[in-house]
Amino acid sequence: DGGITQSPKYLFRKEGQNVTLSCEQNLNHDAMYWYRQDPGQGLRLIYYSQIVNDFQKGDIAEGYSVSREKKESFPLTVTSAQKNPTAFYLCASKVPRAPGELFFGEGSRLTVL
Amino acid sequence: AQRVTQPEKLLSVFKGAPVELKCNYSYSGSPELFWYVQYSRQRLQLLLRHISRESIKGFTADLNKGETSFHLKKPFAQEEDSAMYYCALIPGTYKYIFGTGTRLKVLA
Repeated sequence: DGGITQSPKYLFRKEGQNVTLSCEQNLNHDAMYWYRQDPGQGLRLIYYSQIVNDFQKGDIAEGYSVSREKKESFPLTVTSAQKNPTAFYLCASKVPRAPGELFFGEGSRLTVL
Repeated sequence: AQRVTQPEKLLSVFKGAPVELKCNYSYSGSPELFWYVQYSRQRLQLLLRHISRESIKGFTADLNKGETSFHLKKPFAQEEDSAMYYCALIPGTYKYIFGTGTRLKVLA
């Protein structure tokens, strides 16, 4: 089955530590996205990538970094510079030839202790 | 500024009652608008798109450019409609802007 796999589903980290969230897709989609989901604030765009080796900052990129070395993979690193990293993180890919459709992963919940 | 506003965080209705989830947008161009839904323990998924003018699971949404709205409606709510609903605007080819979401609770 094609889909997006995010790992880990739950992650705890101490303040000051960097952590990387994995996002892997086998859908052969070009564009991929990272969103942060907080109660009452909806989904906010962190980074997106249209193609391999290219990515753009979203609305809340500060304290985050990404890479896109392979089409299938779009990992997100939450650095110690992110002031409030505890959140639910969603990865998505854009379904080609389907206007407006993003395919979402199941998410990763990061808790900073 | 490009923005999507969903004024209600929570909407509770009784089973069989009509439902209207509000969405207003701010965008100077010709908008592309969508509704996404997230059922409990499931992925966020596309519910419907305005360009299709379709009805999915009994839900419809009409784009009103004069009022800059894209409200989601269903004449008779069902318990399985309980979920989180997000309105989304696509101002460009790749950038998606989501609203803050409305949690719909359908009471038995």
